[in-house]
Amino acid sequence: QVQLVESGGGVVQPGRSLRLSCAASGFTFSNYAMHWVRQAPGKGLEWVAIISYDGTNKYCADSVRGRFSISRDNSKNTLYLQMNSLRTEDTAVYFCARDPRVYNSAYYFDYWGQGTLVTVSS
Amino acid sequence: QSALTQPASVSGSPGQSITISCTGTSSDVGNYNFVSWYQHHPGKAPKLLIYDVSNRPSGVSNRFSGSKSGNTASLTISGLQAEDEGDYYCTSYTTSSTLVFGGGTKLTVL
Repeated sequence: QVQLVESGGGVVQPGRSLRLSCAASGFTFSNYAMHWVRQAPGKGLEWVAIISYDGTNKYCADSVRGRFSISRDNSKNTLYLQMNSLRTEDTAVYFCARDPRVYNSAYYFDYWGQGTLVTVSS
Repeated sequence: QSALTQPASVSGSPGQSITISCTGTSSDVGNYNFVSWYQHHPGKAPKLLIYDVSNRPSGVSNRFSGSKSGNTASLTISGLQAEDEGDYYCTSYTTSSTLVFGGGTKLTVL
């Protein structure tokens, strides 16, 4: 069965960096686009970034552009989110999610991980 | 890239129907049929309810239905059940090749 397991969250000071990982299993990871979505405490869901199945196309939200970078290693079935210049407002649970269309993007999410908490605080 | 507009809360009694609206612009909801809806219970992974405006994934109850008119999409839940309580979110693809969520709607079953 499809499984997505995020890791790498923790407490980090403002201005520092953190890299999140999402380990995928139960499907051919290299065939699917992937997303990161986050939820700040007491707030709604916010889309963060998408990467195409082969890693050639990437887009991200205005709120993280220039600071966050999405990437993937298809040989390791792993998705990443490199977060630089972290701000207190980046504090959130970060979810990875699969886009269901093979070799393309359907722009929705059919499977989600359980999330990993990132806390940005001095 | 402003969030789509959803009512903060809706409520209904068991057996009733409710509708949650999701209003965007001609740059997102009004320009694409890439509108999807999710149910989210705190501490759990969100669950896909509707994709491409009105399509229901296998395993999702037919009590959930979606539609769109102009810049506004809607999710209707018929025959409300206690288990339907939770937070509901819409999302849409945008002309910037990004996605945007609605602010979320808390559904209370009275």
